[in-house]
Amino acid sequence: EVQLVESGGGLVQPGGSLRLSCESSGFTLSSYWMHWVRQAPGKGLEWVSRIKSDGSSITYADFAKGRFTISRDNAKNSLYLQMNSLRVEDTAVYYCVRGNWVYWYFDLWGRGNLVTVSS
Amino acid sequence: QSALTQPPSASGSPGQSVTISCTGTSIDVGGYNYVSWYQHHPGKAPKLMIFNVDKRPSGVPDRISGSKSGNTASLTVSGLQAEDEADYYCSSFAGSSMLFGGGTKLTVL
Repeated sequence: EVQLVESGGGLVQPGGSLRLSCESSGFTLSSYWMHWVRQAPGKGLEWVSRIKSDGSSITYADFAKGRFTISRDNAKNSLYLQMNSLRVEDTAVYYCVRGNWVYWYFDLWGRGNLVTVSS
Repeated sequence: QSALTQPPSASGSPGQSVTISCTGTSIDVGGYNYVSWYQHHPGKAPKLMIFNVDKRPSGVPDRISGSKSGNTASLTVSGLQAEDEADYYCSSFAGSSMLFGGGTKLTVL
């Protein structure tokens, strides 16, 4: 089955760190750009970051620059998001998303993983 | 990196048509034909409905359509059905980033 499964979320205090993982199955991860997208409670979707199929190109949303790091291990069929200096406003469901790099759309989404930043 | 602008809500009766707008700028929606639309039922993974402004992925019915004029893209759902009730988000390529709209809650009356 073609799917993405996120893990690693949970409760963390402001200023803390968390590493999200995303395991892919049913397709060749190394052929795709991958993204992280988040949704805060009661809010809309918000793009976080993207990484090229071979990891050679990475971009971040302004709020993520300097705090979040996206990475991938194609041999392990996995995508990661290291989040440091977390803020209350980073509380959200984080989705691992497969991207189409020709037409820039998202064609496969994980179910999401909740990150709660609270004291 | 401002979000694209969508109306917060839209509604229609079964069988009717509803159009949801998505307004950006010349450096995102207006600058590229890379606008896509997603249907999101809370608690589930979002689903791609339209890509490249007006292309439907396999499995999406032809009563779902997309268009664009200038800096505004639109999603039209014709022949409304109960299962169409969901949140809808537009997205656009914006060069070094990707943008989403704030989402529109579609209610089938």
